[in-house]
Amino acid sequence: GAVVSQHPSWVICKSGTSVKIECRSLDFQATTMFWYRQFPKQSLMLMATSNEGSKATYEQGVEKDKFLINHASLTLSTLTVTSAHPEDSSFYICSARRPTGRPEAFFGQGTRLTVV
Amino acid sequence: AQTVTQSQPEMSVQEAETVTLSCTYDTSESDYYLFWYKQPPSRQMILVIRQEAYKQQNATENRFSVNFQKAAKSFSLKISDSQLGDAAMYFCAPSVQGAQKLVFGQGTRLTINP
Repeated sequence: GAVVSQHPSWVICKSGTSVKIECRSLDFQATTMFWYRQFPKQSLMLMATSNEGSKATYEQGVEKDKFLINHASLTLSTLTVTSAHPEDSSFYICSARRPTGRPEAFFGQGTRLTVV
Repeated sequence: AQTVTQSQPEMSVQEAETVTLSCTYDTSESDYYLFWYKQPPSRQMILVIRQEAYKQQNATENRFSVNFQKAAKSFSLKISDSQLGDAAMYFCAPSVQGAQKLVFGQGTRLTINP
């Protein structure tokens, strides 16, 4: 079964509004989670690293004020797209790794965001 | 910074045949993992296989195997006895030990012809 759960699977919002996406690790504690963005027929681009109890680390070119990340607990990270515009429409995916043992990342189901 | 190159945007193979997807990468690290993930139409990322860079033996998972050439920084994926369910986007991704970050290649879209 899934070990990382992402919600919602899809969301449509009006331009200028904000939308929150949740990423939960289901059976392990994740001090670090990752947020990716994927445009159609393209690869995954890392947006930011979510750090539990501290500020997120953003990749170059990613607007911190546009994409707010909160990692308030060891099993939950949230990505809020603020003042969304049509160009923010994309597929957003989170991932997390178990703190020990298997080294591979587990991915959420992804969230398709459409801004109208 | 790490770079990953998948030089085959699209590949096509007949069902039951074998196909090899290529991947080259660049890293200054000596200890790292390499992964192949598949992304079917559902867009859920699924781990196919992983390789530890310190291991000389190539990883194998049922019909999936890799050809890992550390000196050449090459990490190809071989799929034997291709099945219709193997149709997906395949991404090569190295991970630096401790950093947990994955850097993805551009992907290869694999089509399986019945």
